[in-house]
Amino acid sequence: QVTLKESGPVLVKPTETLTLTCTVSGLSLRNSRMGVSWIRQPPGKALEWLAYIFSSDAKSYTPSLKSRLSISKDTSISQVVLTMTNVDPGDTATYYCARMRQAVGQYYLDFWGQGTLVTVSS
Amino acid sequence: SSELTQDPAVSVALGQTVRITCQGDSLTKYYASWYQQKSGKAPVLVIYGRADRPSGIPDRFSGSSSGNTASLTITGAQAEDEADYYCNSRVDRGGSGEHLVFGGGTKLTVL
Repeated sequence: QVTLKESGPVLVKPTETLTLTCTVSGLSLRNSRMGVSWIRQPPGKALEWLAYIFSSDAKSYTPSLKSRLSISKDTSISQVVLTMTNVDPGDTATYYCARMRQAVGQYYLDFWGQGTLVTVSS
Repeated sequence: SSELTQDPAVSVALGQTVRITCQGDSLTKYYASWYQQKSGKAPVLVIYGRADRPSGIPDRFSGSSSGNTASLTITGAQAEDEADYYCNSRVDRGGSGEHLVFGGGTKLTVL
């Protein structure tokens, strides 16, 4: 059974760095054509894709936040970490991680974590 | 503005058919995937690839694509289908690489 679980701080102050961890089970981060994405959703708003990392260590970031994001993985402990620097209240959102599969002509996100709500406030 | 455009809201009578669309240039090259999100819950994948459904997704959900538009069709909508639906696609940025993008979402109301 594939599960993903997000963890991190509930409250972060403006200008601080946010670090979120996605712990996966039931799958190996070494599997080819498989990776992990981070997605966020501000309260009452739409989903926003943030970043991915593949087993090959290939990475990608959403252009609007690329300068503030960093994604990495530790295959030995089945974790993917997302860091976001210089947060502000606009970064308040539920943050999800999801397993990402690669197929001909696309990527898709077939298993999602439950999400973790992060509030940015002083 | 999103690179994938969805109608903000759509309604359908119980048992009828509804189509939710997603438009974007990337859809001429890549398939869309579709996600259902019920209030307070994580999104669930309902359609991916040409028109594939994950295990456990009812066959009343189907997908199609034409030109720069992808569609999610629910044939015989049920009350439990009331949710927000999001499309997602890969986007190429030439020398800047690729990334993914979600549409703005469509709120489906089942009347």
